[in-house]
Amino acid sequence: SQTIHQWPATLVQPVGSPLSLECTVEGTSNPNLYWYRQAAGRGLQLLFYSVGIGQISSEVPQNLSASRPQDRQFILSSKKLLLSDSGFYLCAWTTGVGEKLFFGSGTQLSVL
Amino acid sequence: GNSVTQMEGPVTLSEEAFLTINCTYTATGYPSLFWYVQYPGEGLQLLLKATKADDKGSNKGFEATYRKETTSFHLEKGSVQVSDSAVYFCALSPVAGGTSYGKLTFGQGTILTVHP
Repeated sequence: SQTIHQWPATLVQPVGSPLSLECTVEGTSNPNLYWYRQAAGRGLQLLFYSVGIGQISSEVPQNLSASRPQDRQFILSSKKLLLSDSGFYLCAWTTGVGEKLFFGSGTQLSVL
Repeated sequence: GNSVTQMEGPVTLSEEAFLTINCTYTATGYPSLFWYVQYPGEGLQLLLKATKADDKGSNKGFEATYRKETTSFHLEKGSVQVSDSAVYFCALSPVAGGTSYGKLTFGQGTILTVHP
């Protein structure tokens, strides 16, 4: 069966520090991968998606970047965190034409 | 652009009470509509879906009907249980197939707490 792992579960970082959140999927190949963020009091917002290794599409301009170095690995990064980067980050995957997203358990990021 | 608006929470109910969580949307064309649920400590998971007008999605006693005339997809359950306590997200996806299926637009989520 397929599983998705996301870590860490919580993270507290100072402003200006770097960020790296990792997500891996097991039990499937060539998934579409997604990073979503939920800021306080707002809905989930799609940040990045990837349909293959090295292929990244950004949905909103921001201080973050994403990379996909391997088929089932998706990384969210920042060189210098801002206060506004605080939020709940969720990784998700689906098959090429699937309508059902499978989510990780999320990372609560607090930038202080 | 697309948007989803959910009723503000949190919602607190007693066990066996009737539940309604309102959801309205704005979208061009004919989107697919979803309800996702996040139980404590877990990731979001699909609860139910509807892909065209007048479709009714149902799962685990929950139901939602795709109402194009009112652009709504309200979630209902006749008798809630303590185990239904979770965060519920309404979402839509443009019906374009392919990778756009993962590009969902979510509402802000509604926290439901059910007391014994």
